[in-house]
Amino acid sequence: QKEVEQDPGPLSVPEGAIVSLNCTYSNSAFQYFMWYRQYSRKGPELLMYTYSSGNKEDGRFTAQVDKSSKYISLFIRDSQPSDSATYLCAVYGGATNKLIFGTGTLLAVQP
Amino acid sequence: NAGVTQTPKFRILKIGQSMTLQCAQDMNHNYMYWYRQDPGMGLKLIYYSVGAGITDKGEVPNGYNVSRSTTEDFPLRLELAAPSQTSVYFCASSYSVPGLAGGPPEQYFGPGTRLTVT
Repeated sequence: QKEVEQDPGPLSVPEGAIVSLNCTYSNSAFQYFMWYRQYSRKGPELLMYTYSSGNKEDGRFTAQVDKSSKYISLFIRDSQPSDSATYLCAVYGGATNKLIFGTGTLLAVQP
Repeated sequence: NAGVTQTPKFRILKIGQSMTLQCAQDMNHNYMYWYRQDPGMGLKLIYYSVGAGITDKGEVPNGYNVSRSTTEDFPLRLELAAPSQTSVYFCASSYSVPGLAGGPPEQYFGPGTRLTVT
Protein backbone atom coordinates (compact mmCIF):
# COMPACT_ATOMS: atom_id res chain seq x y z
CA GLN A 1 0.00 0.00 0.00
CA LYS A 2 1.34 3.40 -0.96
CA GLU A 3 1.92 5.77 1.95
CA VAL A 4 0.07 8.57 0.17
CA GLU A 5 -2.51 8.10 -2.58
CA GLN A 6 -3.90 10.85 -4.76
CA ASP A 7 -6.23 10.78 -7.76
CA PRO A 8 -4.15 12.03 -10.71
CA GLY A 9 -7.12 13.54 -12.54
CA PRO A 10 -7.15 15.47 -14.76
CA LEU A 11 -9.90 17.59 -13.26
CA SER A 12 -11.54 20.24 -15.43
CA VAL A 13 -13.93 22.81 -13.93
CA PRO A 14 -15.49 26.09 -15.08
CA GLU A 15 -14.26 29.37 -13.65
CA GLY A 16 -15.95 30.17 -10.34
CA ALA A 17 -16.52 26.53 -9.37
CA ILE A 18 -15.58 25.05 -6.00
CA VAL A 19 -12.77 22.54 -6.41
CA SER A 20 -12.14 19.62 -4.06
CA LEU A 21 -8.79 17.82 -4.17
CA ASN A 22 -8.16 14.80 -1.99
CA CYS A 23 -5.51 12.42 -0.71
CA THR A 24 -5.45 9.45 1.61
CA TYR A 25 -2.50 8.28 3.69
CA SER A 26 -1.70 5.06 5.50
CA ASN A 27 0.53 5.92 8.48
CA SER A 28 -1.20 7.46 11.49
CA ALA A 29 2.17 8.81 12.72
CA PHE A 30 2.16 11.59 10.13
CA GLN A 31 1.62 14.95 11.81
CA TYR A 32 1.98 17.60 9.09
CA PHE A 33 -0.07 17.68 5.94
CA MET A 34 0.94 19.96 3.11
CA TRP A 35 -0.28 21.06 -0.29
CA TYR A 36 2.20 22.07 -2.97
CA ARG A 37 1.19 23.74 -6.23
CA GLN A 38 3.18 23.13 -9.39
CA TYR A 39 2.65 25.18 -12.52
CA SER A 40 3.58 23.62 -15.85
CA ARG A 41 7.35 23.29 -16.31
CA LYS A 42 8.06 24.83 -12.88
CA GLY A 43 9.12 23.47 -9.52
CA PRO A 44 6.52 22.85 -6.78
CA GLU A 45 5.88 25.58 -4.23
CA LEU A 46 4.28 25.24 -0.81
CA LEU A 47 0.68 26.46 -0.82
CA MET A 48 -0.33 25.73 2.78
CA TYR A 49 -0.07 23.17 5.54
CA THR A 50 -1.98 21.93 8.57
CA TYR A 51 -0.77 20.34 11.77
CA SER A 52 -2.73 17.35 13.04
CA SER A 53 -6.48 17.45 12.42
CA GLY A 54 -8.69 20.35 11.55
CA ASN A 55 -9.07 23.10 9.01
CA LYS A 56 -6.88 25.93 7.86
CA GLU A 57 -8.04 28.74 5.62
CA ASP A 58 -5.97 31.08 3.46
CA GLY A 59 -7.99 33.30 1.17
CA ARG A 60 -9.84 31.12 -1.32
CA PHE A 61 -8.01 27.98 -0.16
CA THR A 62 -9.01 25.69 2.71
CA ALA A 63 -6.98 22.66 3.82
CA GLN A 64 -8.72 20.01 5.85
CA VAL A 65 -7.38 16.92 7.63
CA ASP A 66 -9.42 14.07 9.09
CA LYS A 67 -6.98 11.89 10.99
CA SER A 68 -9.65 9.35 11.94
CA SER A 69 -10.14 8.45 8.28
CA LYS A 70 -6.60 9.45 7.15
CA TYR A 71 -8.06 11.84 4.60
CA ILE A 72 -6.59 15.14 3.38
CA SER A 73 -8.53 17.70 1.36
CA LEU A 74 -7.88 21.01 -0.35
CA PHE A 75 -10.83 23.18 -1.32
CA ILE A 76 -10.56 26.07 -3.74
CA ARG A 77 -13.45 28.55 -3.77
CA ASP A 78 -14.24 30.78 -6.75
CA SER A 79 -11.64 28.99 -8.85
CA GLN A 80 -9.73 31.06 -11.39
CA PRO A 81 -7.89 30.11 -14.59
CA SER A 82 -4.69 31.07 -12.74
CA ASP A 83 -5.36 28.15 -10.37
CA SER A 84 -4.72 25.73 -13.25
CA ALA A 85 -1.77 23.64 -12.06
CA THR A 86 -0.85 20.29 -10.56
CA TYR A 87 -1.58 20.06 -6.83
CA LEU A 88 0.53 17.67 -4.78
CA CYS A 89 -0.31 16.62 -1.26
CA ALA A 90 2.57 15.72 1.06
CA VAL A 91 2.86 14.29 4.54
CA TYR A 92 5.58 14.59 7.16
CA GLY A 93 6.26 13.15 10.56
CA GLY A 94 6.67 9.85 12.28
CA ALA A 95 9.99 8.03 12.20
CA THR A 96 11.21 9.67 9.02
CA ASN A 97 12.24 13.28 8.53
CA LYS A 98 11.36 13.27 4.86
CA LEU A 99 8.36 14.53 2.96
CA ILE A 100 6.31 11.91 1.17
CA PHE A 101 4.44 13.25 -1.83
CA GLY A 102 1.29 12.12 -3.55
CA THR A 103 1.36 11.73 -7.32
CA GLY A 104 -0.40 15.06 -7.90
CA THR A 105 -3.76 16.05 -9.40
CA LEU A 106 -3.80 18.10 -12.60
CA LEU A 107 -6.44 20.85 -12.39
CA ALA A 108 -7.66 22.92 -15.32
CA VAL A 109 -10.00 25.87 -14.67
CA GLN A 110 -11.76 26.87 -17.88
CA PRO A 111 -12.55 30.58 -18.42
CA ASN B 1 17.86 36.09 -3.36
CA ALA B 2 17.97 33.76 -6.36
CA GLY B 3 16.59 30.89 -4.24
CA VAL B 4 17.38 27.46 -5.67
CA THR B 5 19.03 27.42 -9.09
CA GLN B 6 19.60 24.42 -11.34
CA THR B 7 21.65 23.94 -14.48
CA PRO B 8 21.22 22.87 -17.18
CA LYS B 9 17.52 23.35 -17.94
CA PHE B 10 17.50 20.64 -20.62
CA ARG B 11 19.90 17.90 -21.63
CA ILE B 12 19.90 14.94 -24.00
CA LEU B 13 22.34 12.15 -23.18
CA LYS B 14 23.28 9.00 -25.01
CA ILE B 15 23.16 5.70 -23.15
CA GLY B 16 26.35 5.22 -21.14
CA GLN B 17 27.30 8.90 -21.01
CA SER B 18 27.88 10.72 -17.74
CA MET B 19 26.81 14.13 -16.55
CA THR B 20 26.45 16.27 -13.47
CA LEU B 21 23.31 18.21 -12.65
CA GLN B 22 24.16 21.35 -10.74
CA CYS B 23 22.15 22.78 -7.85
CA ALA B 24 22.86 25.83 -5.73
CA GLN B 25 20.93 27.72 -3.07
CA ASP B 26 21.58 31.09 -1.44
CA MET B 27 19.21 30.82 1.53
CA ASN B 28 21.77 29.24 3.89
CA HIS B 29 19.60 26.13 4.19
CA ASN B 30 21.38 23.15 5.67
CA TYR B 31 19.06 20.52 4.15
CA MET B 32 19.17 19.84 0.42
CA TYR B 33 17.37 17.21 -1.67
CA TRP B 34 17.29 15.70 -5.13
CA TYR B 35 14.01 14.38 -6.55
CA ARG B 36 12.97 12.93 -9.85
CA GLN B 37 9.46 13.39 -11.21
CA ASP B 38 7.98 11.00 -13.76
CA PRO B 39 4.49 11.34 -15.25
CA GLY B 40 1.87 9.94 -12.86
CA MET B 41 4.52 8.95 -10.32
CA GLY B 42 4.91 12.04 -8.17
CA LEU B 43 8.20 13.13 -6.66
CA LYS B 44 10.65 10.41 -5.68
CA LEU B 45 13.57 11.25 -3.37
CA ILE B 46 16.95 10.26 -4.81
CA TYR B 47 19.43 11.62 -2.25
CA TYR B 48 19.43 14.20 0.48
CA SER B 49 21.95 16.03 2.63
CA VAL B 50 21.61 17.43 6.13
CA GLY B 51 24.74 19.56 5.87
CA ALA B 52 28.12 19.91 4.21
CA GLY B 53 29.89 16.57 4.10
CA ILE B 54 26.79 14.53 5.01
CA THR B 55 24.62 12.76 2.44
CA ASP B 56 22.20 9.87 2.55
CA LYS B 57 20.15 7.76 0.16
CA GLY B 58 16.52 8.37 -0.52
CA GLU B 59 13.96 6.10 -2.12
CA VAL B 60 15.56 5.68 -5.59
CA PRO B 61 19.37 6.19 -5.33
CA ASN B 62 20.58 3.55 -7.78
CA GLY B 63 22.51 5.00 -10.72
CA TYR B 64 23.20 8.32 -8.99
CA ASN B 65 25.82 9.85 -6.75
CA VAL B 66 25.99 13.08 -4.80
CA SER B 67 28.46 15.15 -2.85
CA ARG B 68 28.08 18.18 -0.59
CA SER B 69 31.31 20.05 -0.05
CA THR B 70 29.67 23.41 0.72
CA THR B 71 26.38 24.56 2.23
CA GLU B 72 25.37 26.16 -1.08
CA ASP B 73 26.00 23.40 -3.64
CA PHE B 74 24.61 19.90 -4.04
CA PRO B 75 25.49 18.35 -7.43
CA LEU B 76 23.92 15.10 -8.67
CA ARG B 77 26.08 12.80 -10.77
CA LEU B 78 24.85 10.24 -13.32
CA GLU B 79 27.71 7.90 -14.17
CA LEU B 80 26.29 5.59 -16.85
CA ALA B 81 23.10 7.07 -18.19
CA ALA B 82 20.24 4.66 -18.91
CA PRO B 83 16.85 5.29 -20.58
CA SER B 84 15.18 4.66 -17.20
CA GLN B 85 16.81 7.88 -15.98
CA THR B 86 14.81 9.97 -18.44
CA SER B 87 12.92 12.28 -16.09
CA VAL B 88 12.60 15.77 -14.70
CA TYR B 89 15.01 16.36 -11.83
CA PHE B 90 14.29 18.83 -9.06
CA CYS B 91 16.63 20.08 -6.41
CA ALA B 92 15.17 21.49 -3.19
CA SER B 93 16.41 22.95 0.06
CA SER B 94 15.00 23.63 3.52
CA TYR B 95 15.93 24.57 7.03
CA SER B 96 16.32 21.71 9.45
CA VAL B 97 13.41 20.89 11.68
CA PRO B 98 14.33 20.83 15.37
CA GLY B 99 11.22 18.87 16.21
CA LEU B 100 7.65 18.55 15.07
CA ALA B 101 6.81 21.64 17.11
CA GLY B 102 9.21 23.58 14.92
CA GLY B 103 6.95 23.31 11.93
CA PRO B 104 7.16 21.29 8.76
CA PRO B 105 10.20 21.46 6.52
CA GLU B 106 9.07 23.87 3.83
CA GLN B 107 11.10 22.81 0.84
CA TYR B 108 12.00 25.38 -1.78
CA PHE B 109 12.35 23.86 -5.22
CA GLY B 110 14.45 24.81 -8.19
CA PRO B 111 13.01 25.07 -11.73
CA GLY B 112 14.08 21.56 -12.70
CA THR B 113 16.31 19.88 -15.29
CA ARG B 114 14.62 17.92 -18.08
CA LEU B 115 16.84 14.97 -18.98
CA THR B 116 16.34 12.58 -21.87
CA VAL B 117 18.53 9.51 -22.28
CA THR B 118 18.39 7.83 -25.71
